[in-house]
Amino acid sequence: AQTVTQSQPEMSVQEAETVTLSCTYDTSESNYYLFWYKQPPSRQMILVIRQEAYKQQNATENRFSVNFQKAAKSFSLKISDSQLGDTAMYFCAFRPKTGANNLFFGTGTRLTVIP
Amino acid sequence: NAGVTQTPKFQVLKTGQSMTLQCAQDMNHNSMYWYRQDPGMGLRLIYYSASEGTTDKGEVPNGYNVSRLNKREFSLRLESAAPSQTSVYFCASSEGLKLQGRETQYFGPGTRLLVL
Repeated sequence: AQTVTQSQPEMSVQEAETVTLSCTYDTSESNYYLFWYKQPPSRQMILVIRQEAYKQQNATENRFSVNFQKAAKSFSLKISDSQLGDTAMYFCAFRPKTGANNLFFGTGTRLTVIP
Repeated sequence: NAGVTQTPKFQVLKTGQSMTLQCAQDMNHNSMYWYRQDPGMGLRLIYYSASEGTTDKGEVPNGYNVSRLNKREFSLRLESAAPSQTSVYFCASSEGLKLQGRETQYFGPGTRLLVL
């Protein structure tokens, strides 16, 4: 079974500072995909960044980057130059390459950016 | 291009009532999904449709049925609503088929359901 753990229920960061959100996962799969989704107060789920497990290079998307440690099964999200619009729930998600086509989500981290 | 749309946005039901949640996407995606989100938990998959004409159970299918009406639409039906089905329901879609899980899922705005 796949499980995704986000051990930080809430975090806060000063505007313009950097924050890192943690995520670990457990799987016996060798190939899979990892995602970070953002859910602002509007409740819409928005893809932030995606990582393919067979790629060693960490994914980067503008101010968002990941630290993917496959051996440790760790997938953290770093947000640089935090902005007020980054305030949201952030969900880490896992998807095996084979089998059912669904995402397995963590319980989320509520991030507040303080002006 | 509206993406993924869901109706209604909010619904209150009494125990035992039935209702259908509607979902439509205009991105020509093959795969569609229904998730529920409960407080303190991540989204959990109820049912999915890998392609038009097929549906499969996800992690929490009990108490639900689905219909993939056509490529655009994927509905979720509660035949006899229970308080345990109080939740926020999200529909999602992805390109599916050849991309083998690599593709991105795009989510609708959600439906908040309260069962009394």
